[in-house]
Amino acid sequence: EIVLTQSPATLSLSPGERATLSCRASQSVSSYLAWYQQKPGQAPRLLIYDASNRATGIPARFSGSGSGTDFTLTISSLEPEDFAVYYCQQRSNWPRFTFGPGTKVDIK
Amino acid sequence: EVQLVESGGGLVQPGGSLRLSCAASGFTFSSYSMNWVRQAPGKGLEWVSYISSSSSTIYYADSVKGRFTISRDNAKNSLYLQMNSLRAEDTAVYYCARDIKAHYYYMDVWGKGTTVTVSS
Repeated sequence: EIVLTQSPATLSLSPGERATLSCRASQSVSSYLAWYQQKPGQAPRLLIYDASNRATGIPARFSGSGSGTDFTLTISSLEPEDFAVYYCQQRSNWPRFTFGPGTKVDIK
Repeated sequence: EVQLVESGGGLVQPGGSLRLSCAASGFTFSSYSMNWVRQAPGKGLEWVSYISSSSSTIYYADSVKGRFTISRDNAKNSLYLQMNSLRAEDTAVYYCARDIKAHYYYMDVWGKGTTVTVSS
């Protein structure tokens, strides 16, 4: 099973700041990685798939990069609605799809 | 509006059974693969099961294999999860989620979830 590790566990930032979230895979997943956002009491929302493709309707301030084992989700300038938990997910090792443990972005 | 609505959750004793349903609307259900994903209280996301659009391909997480059965009825625009031999560790919010593309295994539409509690 491919294990995804996310860092940091919590990121405390202010609105307008840049957020950089990391996801590391225990073995290469090529570019088969997605990012989701989840707010309290809500379902997850797909942000990025195949490492760098924004899903439909996702603002341009969200961007993804990386390949192999190291991936980054960047939020260029945090909006108040961006404070949430972010999960990465790999689909390389199908059918054993796995999620990372999440990074919480909270208000400093 | 594209929508998924789960139902069927509740309180069940260990060893019991439950059947979850997911009603789809606003898109051509029969064209999309579907998934169940769960989230234990205060924990992260865990993929549970996948079914292709024609039901020809089905996958399960090791944690539920042999106990859970995924199925769908394209005529009724519905997805199901039959859960047997339930354990305390199956307690979670269960989401149904649509695959963004066939065999792509990323989920772009999610329901609000239904809560399953396994406890005596």
